[in-house]
Amino acid sequence: DAGVIQSPRHEVTEMGQEVTLRCKPISGHNSLFWYRQTMMRGLELLIYFNNNVPIDDSGMPEDRFSAKMPNASFSTLKIQPSEPRDSAVYFCASSLDGAGGLRQYFGPGTRLTVT
Amino acid sequence: AQTVTQSQPEMSVQEAETVTLSCTYDTSESDYYLFWYKQPPSRQMILVIRQEAYKQQNATENRFSVNFQKAAKSFSLKISDSQLGDAAMYFCAYRSARGNTGKLIFGQGTTLQVKP
Repeated sequence: DAGVIQSPRHEVTEMGQEVTLRCKPISGHNSLFWYRQTMMRGLELLIYFNNNVPIDDSGMPEDRFSAKMPNASFSTLKIQPSEPRDSAVYFCASSLDGAGGLRQYFGPGTRLTVT
Repeated sequence: AQTVTQSQPEMSVQEAETVTLSCTYDTSESDYYLFWYKQPPSRQMILVIRQEAYKQQNATENRFSVNFQKAAKSFSLKISDSQLGDAAMYFCAYRSARGNTGKLIFGQGTTLQVKP
């Protein structure tokens, strides 16, 4: 299996622009997680999907952030408009099941820089 | 709310020696899971070891073992026979066993340097 796939690996954009990060989970996994990693805040969960349904979005910073999972093999995290403080590494992870899938498999991350 | 604390921002160890990374957590729950993840310079997060809170026996995975002290809410990672490839940032993480949430709560991380 190719593992969790994220694109792009690096993204540089100007403040105010829309940014879309993409994730393809491991085939057969039914839980998907978006995390953000910064020096100041460490690793924090943004949103969690189970069977394509958002279960916990309490970590989404504000309305500028939105996430979708239109099907079991694809998810997007969108930031509109982007701000310099959104600069971070964004990870997508997937697991087999919300309760039984104890191991989360992480993608390589997308490093976002907003200038 | 649950919290995870790693009080050692950086640690170093000589190759082939043993090192212990500390982690404490705070929770009012009795059933949960604890994890150690490794993040090498490639950024890829890799699961190192997992412990179920209901198990008294400490988990072991080859050179990696944990010291799980439930009453003290302590979960340290011991790396034996350290190798250069062990150099990475290590994160301790907590996950509730309640409900259907897979949410991981991470500590701040400990950067491990392995000296040849």
